[in-house]
Amino acid sequence: NAGVTQTPKFRVLKTGQSMTLLCAQDMNHEYMYWYRQDPGMGLRLIHYSVGEGTTAKGEVPDGYNVSRLKKQNFLLGLESAAPSQTSVYFCASSPGAGYTFGSGTRLTVV
Amino acid sequence: KNEVEQSPQNLTAQEGEFITINCSYSVGISALHWLQQHPGGGIVSLFMLSSGKKKHGRLIATINIQEKHSSLHITASHPRDSAVYICAVRLGATDSWGKLQFGAGTQVVVTP
Repeated sequence: NAGVTQTPKFRVLKTGQSMTLLCAQDMNHEYMYWYRQDPGMGLRLIHYSVGEGTTAKGEVPDGYNVSRLKKQNFLLGLESAAPSQTSVYFCASSPGAGYTFGSGTRLTVV
Repeated sequence: KNEVEQSPQNLTAQEGEFITINCSYSVGISALHWLQQHPGGGIVSLFMLSSGKKKHGRLIATINIQEKHSSLHITASHPRDSAVYICAVRLGATDSWGKLQFGAGTQVVVTP
Protein backbone atom coordinates (compact mmCIF):
# COMPACT_ATOMS: atom_id res chain seq x y z
CA ASN A 1 0.00 0.00 0.00
CA ALA A 2 1.17 3.53 -0.78
CA GLY A 3 2.19 5.52 2.22
CA VAL A 4 4.93 6.37 4.66
CA THR A 5 6.95 3.58 6.22
CA GLN A 6 9.10 4.08 9.30
CA THR A 7 11.72 1.66 10.54
CA PRO A 8 12.31 0.50 13.17
CA LYS A 9 9.04 0.58 15.11
CA PHE A 10 10.70 0.17 18.51
CA ARG A 11 14.23 0.62 19.77
CA VAL A 12 16.03 0.78 23.09
CA LEU A 13 19.38 2.57 23.12
CA LYS A 14 21.97 3.08 25.77
CA THR A 15 23.12 6.64 26.46
CA GLY A 16 25.84 7.58 24.01
CA GLN A 17 24.88 5.06 21.34
CA SER A 18 23.99 6.16 17.84
CA MET A 19 21.22 5.11 15.50
CA THR A 20 19.39 6.08 12.34
CA LEU A 21 15.65 6.13 11.82
CA LEU A 22 14.46 5.61 8.27
CA CYS A 23 11.40 7.17 6.68
CA ALA A 24 10.41 6.02 3.21
CA GLN A 25 7.51 7.29 1.07
CA ASP A 26 6.34 6.05 -2.30
CA MET A 27 4.02 8.93 -3.22
CA ASN A 28 6.65 11.15 -4.86
CA HIS A 29 6.08 13.86 -2.24
CA GLU A 30 8.50 16.78 -2.21
CA TYR A 31 8.20 17.70 1.46
CA MET A 32 9.17 15.44 4.34
CA TYR A 33 9.24 16.09 8.07
CA TRP A 34 10.48 14.52 11.29
CA TYR A 35 8.49 15.20 14.47
CA ARG A 36 8.79 14.02 18.04
CA GLN A 37 5.81 13.45 20.32
CA ASP A 38 6.13 13.73 24.08
CA PRO A 39 3.41 13.31 26.72
CA GLY A 40 1.34 16.44 27.28
CA MET A 41 2.95 18.27 24.38
CA GLY A 42 2.03 18.66 20.78
CA LEU A 43 4.20 17.18 18.09
CA ARG A 44 7.33 19.26 17.57
CA LEU A 45 9.27 19.60 14.35
CA ILE A 46 12.86 18.35 14.46
CA HIS A 47 14.02 18.76 10.84
CA TYR A 48 12.37 18.97 7.48
CA SER A 49 13.18 18.74 3.79
CA VAL A 50 11.60 20.51 0.84
CA GLY A 51 13.22 18.33 -1.79
CA GLU A 52 15.95 15.86 -2.58
CA GLY A 53 19.29 17.04 -1.27
CA THR A 54 17.82 19.77 0.96
CA THR A 55 17.29 19.82 4.71
CA ALA A 56 16.48 22.49 7.29
CA LYS A 57 16.19 22.81 11.05
CA GLY A 58 12.86 22.80 12.80
CA GLU A 59 11.87 23.75 16.31
CA VAL A 60 13.96 21.19 18.25
CA PRO A 61 16.94 20.17 16.06
CA ASP A 62 19.67 19.84 18.70
CA GLY A 63 21.14 16.33 18.96
CA TYR A 64 19.74 15.21 15.61
CA ASN A 65 20.98 15.18 12.03
CA VAL A 66 19.13 14.36 8.82
CA SER A 67 19.80 13.50 5.24
CA ARG A 68 17.71 13.27 2.09
CA LEU A 69 19.93 11.78 -0.57
CA LYS A 70 16.97 10.24 -2.39
CA LYS A 71 13.57 11.87 -2.77
CA GLN A 72 11.75 8.94 -1.25
CA ASN A 73 13.90 8.60 1.88
CA PHE A 74 14.42 10.91 4.84
CA LEU A 75 16.85 9.70 7.50
CA LEU A 76 17.01 10.93 11.08
CA GLY A 77 20.24 10.30 12.98
CA LEU A 78 21.09 10.44 16.63
CA GLU A 79 24.87 10.61 16.98
CA SER A 80 25.04 10.26 20.77
CA ALA A 81 21.69 9.38 22.29
CA ALA A 82 20.56 11.03 25.53
CA PRO A 83 17.67 10.11 27.84
CA SER A 84 15.98 13.40 26.83
CA GLN A 85 15.59 11.91 23.35
CA THR A 86 13.26 9.23 24.66
CA SER A 87 10.15 9.90 22.61
CA VAL A 88 7.91 8.71 19.83
CA TYR A 89 9.15 9.88 16.46
CA PHE A 90 6.85 10.46 13.51
CA CYS A 91 7.72 11.07 9.92
CA ALA A 92 5.33 12.80 7.55
CA SER A 93 5.34 13.62 3.88
CA SER A 94 3.37 16.13 1.84
CA PRO A 95 2.97 17.07 -1.80
CA GLY A 96 2.26 20.64 -0.65
CA ALA A 97 -1.22 20.23 0.80
CA GLY A 98 -2.34 17.34 2.94
CA TYR A 99 -0.07 15.09 4.93
CA THR A 100 0.59 11.38 5.31
CA PHE A 101 2.12 10.20 8.57
CA GLY A 102 4.12 7.11 9.34
CA SER A 103 3.15 4.78 12.16
CA GLY A 104 5.87 6.06 14.48
CA THR A 105 9.07 4.84 16.12
CA ARG A 106 9.07 4.43 19.89
CA LEU A 107 12.61 5.14 21.11
CA THR A 108 13.78 4.66 24.67
CA VAL A 109 17.22 5.84 25.76
CA VAL A 110 18.42 4.33 29.03
CA LYS B 1 2.44 29.82 25.18
CA ASN B 2 1.41 27.32 22.53
CA GLU B 3 0.07 29.04 19.44
CA VAL B 4 -2.47 26.24 19.01
CA GLU B 5 -4.73 25.58 21.98
CA GLN B 6 -7.17 22.69 22.23
CA SER B 7 -9.95 22.12 24.71
CA PRO B 8 -10.82 20.06 26.53
CA GLN B 9 -7.64 18.07 27.24
CA ASN B 10 -9.70 15.03 28.18
CA LEU B 11 -13.27 14.07 27.47
CA THR B 12 -15.37 11.08 28.46
CA ALA B 13 -18.71 10.45 26.80
CA GLN B 14 -21.30 7.72 26.78
CA GLU B 15 -22.03 5.93 23.56
CA GLY B 16 -24.44 7.94 21.45
CA GLU B 17 -23.54 11.34 22.88
CA PHE B 18 -22.56 14.36 20.79
CA ILE B 19 -18.92 15.39 21.26
CA THR B 20 -17.27 18.73 20.51
CA ILE B 21 -13.56 19.49 20.56
CA ASN B 22 -12.34 23.05 20.14
CA CYS B 23 -9.17 24.49 18.66
CA SER B 24 -8.01 28.11 18.79
CA TYR B 25 -4.90 29.45 17.11
CA SER B 26 -3.04 32.74 17.16
CA VAL B 27 -0.97 32.62 13.97
CA GLY B 28 -1.74 33.18 10.33
CA ILE B 29 -2.60 29.92 8.65
CA SER B 30 -3.24 28.58 5.19
CA ALA B 31 -5.14 25.51 6.42
CA LEU B 32 -6.16 23.66 9.56
CA HIS B 33 -6.01 19.90 9.97
CA TRP B 34 -7.79 17.54 12.31
CA LEU B 35 -5.90 14.34 13.00
CA GLN B 36 -6.76 11.14 14.86
CA GLN B 37 -4.38 8.94 16.81
CA HIS B 38 -5.48 5.63 18.30
CA PRO B 39 -3.60 4.28 21.35
CA GLY B 40 -0.18 3.07 20.30
CA GLY B 41 -1.06 3.83 16.73
CA GLY B 42 -0.15 6.11 13.92
CA ILE B 43 -1.66 9.44 12.99
CA VAL B 44 -4.45 9.65 10.45
CA SER B 45 -5.63 12.82 8.77
CA LEU B 46 -9.39 13.39 9.17
CA PHE B 47 -9.95 16.82 7.65
CA MET B 48 -8.14 19.69 6.02
CA LEU B 49 -10.01 23.00 6.22
CA SER B 50 -9.37 26.47 4.92
CA SER B 51 -12.93 27.74 5.29
CA GLY B 52 -16.46 26.67 6.16
CA LYS B 53 -17.45 23.17 7.09
CA LYS B 54 -16.70 19.58 6.09
CA LYS B 55 -18.50 16.36 6.93
CA HIS B 56 -17.38 12.76 6.72
CA GLY B 57 -19.69 10.15 8.14
CA ARG B 58 -20.37 11.06 11.77
CA LEU B 59 -17.56 13.62 11.89
CA ILE B 60 -18.06 17.32 11.18
CA ALA B 61 -15.35 19.97 11.19
CA THR B 62 -15.89 23.70 11.05
CA ILE B 63 -13.58 26.67 10.93
CA ASN B 64 -14.08 30.41 11.51
CA ILE B 65 -11.10 32.19 10.00
CA GLN B 66 -12.00 35.60 11.44
CA GLU B 67 -12.23 34.22 14.97
CA LYS B 68 -9.28 31.84 14.48
CA HIS B 69 -11.26 28.94 15.81
CA SER B 70 -12.20 25.47 14.68
CA SER B 71 -14.39 22.72 16.10
CA LEU B 72 -14.54 18.99 15.54
CA HIS B 73 -17.87 17.35 16.25
CA ILE B 74 -18.57 13.65 16.61
CA THR B 75 -22.26 12.76 16.32
CA ALA B 76 -23.69 9.55 17.80
CA SER B 77 -20.33 8.69 19.38
CA HIS B 78 -19.17 5.08 19.50
CA PRO B 79 -16.46 3.32 21.55
CA ARG B 80 -14.36 2.99 18.40
CA ASP B 81 -14.14 6.81 18.35
CA SER B 82 -11.93 6.60 21.45
CA ALA B 83 -8.66 8.20 20.41
CA VAL B 84 -6.59 11.34 20.68
CA TYR B 85 -7.76 14.09 18.34
CA ILE B 86 -5.15 16.60 17.31
CA CYS B 87 -5.58 20.03 15.78
CA ALA B 88 -2.72 21.21 13.56
CA VAL B 89 -2.34 24.43 11.60
CA ARG B 90 -0.34 24.86 8.45
CA LEU B 91 1.50 28.15 8.74
CA GLY B 92 0.47 30.79 6.25
CA ALA B 93 3.83 32.42 5.53
CA THR B 94 5.13 31.79 2.02
CA ASP B 95 8.44 30.50 3.40
CA SER B 96 6.82 28.14 5.92
CA TRP B 97 7.33 25.16 3.61
CA GLY B 98 4.23 23.37 4.80
CA LYS B 99 5.30 23.25 8.41
CA LEU B 100 2.60 22.37 10.92
CA GLN B 101 2.08 23.57 14.49
CA PHE B 102 0.16 21.18 16.67
CA GLY B 103 -2.18 21.39 19.59
CA ALA B 104 -1.49 19.09 22.54
CA GLY B 105 -4.39 16.84 21.63
CA THR B 106 -7.71 15.87 23.20
CA GLN B 107 -8.03 12.40 24.69
CA VAL B 108 -11.55 11.11 23.97
CA VAL B 109 -12.96 8.04 25.69
CA VAL B 110 -16.39 6.77 24.68
CA THR B 111 -17.90 4.22 27.05
CA PRO B 112 -20.52 1.65 26.03
